Amino acid sequence: EAGVTQFPSHSVIEKGQTVTLRCDPISGHDNLYWYRRVMGKEIKFLLHFVKESKQDESGMPNNRFLAERTGGTYSTLKVQPAELEDSGVYFCASGAGGDEQFFGPGTRLTVL
Amino acid sequence: GQSLEQPSEVTAVEGAIVQINCTYQTSGFYGLSWYQQHDGGAPTFLSYNALDGLEETGRFSSFLSRSDSYGYLLLQELQMKDSASYFCAVSSWDYKLSFGAGTTVTVRA
Repeated sequence: EAGVTQFPSHSVIEKGQTVTLRCDPISGHDNLYWYRRVMGKEIKFLLHFVKESKQDESGMPNNRFLAERTGGTYSTLKVQPAELEDSGVYFCASGAGGDEQFFGPGTRLTVL
Repeated sequence: GQSLEQPSEVTAVEGAIVQINCTYQTSGFYGLSWYQQHDGGAPTFLSYNALDGLEETGRFSSFLSRSDSYGYLLLQELQMKDSASYFCAVSSWDYKLSFGAGTTVTVRA
């Protein structure tokens, strides 16, 4: 069974540009989470989807971040316009509703 | 909000036992999870404690005391491949995770 995949693995963009990150969860997992780790600090929650609905987006930093999960399958996280402080590793995780979350390898975003 | 504290680094030799403590202050606590991360890769689930007591899974065990807001991860018979970062994380009702800063475990020969 394929695990959680994320694309791209790395992205380097300039301040003010737009970047879209993609996450493909494990098939059948209704729950999808986005997390971010900035500058070696703790991994922080961004938002949680249940199927295509946003269950909790309390961790989204500001309105420059937009997440979608069309059809309840893959999810995208768009940052527009990107700022320097957005640099970090963005992780996606999926789960079937139990206590274990399966993380993807992350997207390393660098904003110059 | 959530606040978790765990040691930043631990070093031990192969075959030794390491205990990583985690204390937390939180609202809406449902359980304490532990994740392992190698070289900044995908965090991997190790264990989850919702009730007080010890959970054992092979060489790894995890303990929780809800009254003390405290838990630990115990790594036994350390192997070189156990060198990694270990994160404790508090779960809310919808399994949203709030992570500690992580403990880097270095295993020496």
